[in-house]
Amino acid sequence: SAVISQKPSRDICQRGTSLTIQCQVDSQVTMMFWYRQQPGQSLTLIATANQGSEATYESGFVIDKFPISRPNLTFSTLTVSNLSPEDSSIYLCSVEGGGSNSGGLYNEQFFGPGTRLTVL
Amino acid sequence: DAKTTQPPSMDCAEGRAANLPCNHSTISGNEYVYWYRQIHSQGPQYIIHGLKNNETNEMASLIITEDRKSSTLILPHATLRDTAVYYCIVRVGNQGGKLIFGQGTELSVKP
Repeated sequence: SAVISQKPSRDICQRGTSLTIQCQVDSQVTMMFWYRQQPGQSLTLIATANQGSEATYESGFVIDKFPISRPNLTFSTLTVSNLSPEDSSIYLCSVEGGGSNSGGLYNEQFFGPGTRLTVL
Repeated sequence: DAKTTQPPSMDCAEGRAANLPCNHSTISGNEYVYWYRQIHSQGPQYIIHGLKNNETNEMASLIITEDRKSSTLILPHATLRDTAVYYCIVRVGNQGGKLIFGQGTELSVKP
């Protein structure tokens, strides 16, 4: 399975600032996704990070608020801009479509450990 | 919106089988059923998936009804470490594509 790391693991930020979250995978993957999990809630997909092009955003999420980069097949960043307390959540990246050690393709998504953001 | 319906919570005695139901009455012919679980403060973990046949792996079994409108995830010998929120998800295809999470079932395994 893919090993995914996220930085930072948690942060406390002031209102109006921005936080950039990094997602690093130990192997090349086809697809990368960003999710948000608000307190006590399920996961909501923010966007699909596309390598070499703009991310594809879900309804209710916009690029100005959640800019995403994906410079290569193993790395992506999510920035949460102009923070407000309502942005306090866990942000998770997930990956799919990479090559396994056995040479096959993954057909399930693997999730990172998440970044816990608190906005004061 | 999620296409699945699950009970919000269930209890199971340690060592017994945990049977988690899921309704997906509007599932299409090309949609797969996936199960994930999320242990507190961790990212979701893949468990199993299937199209129409029953599936088994080292973690669990997936039983899909013949009409594919519902399924059951079976943890054969639940342990305390299986306490988690279990999500049943349907999605098109089995490679690539977004997962739409519902509210899931919070399973509590008790000694």
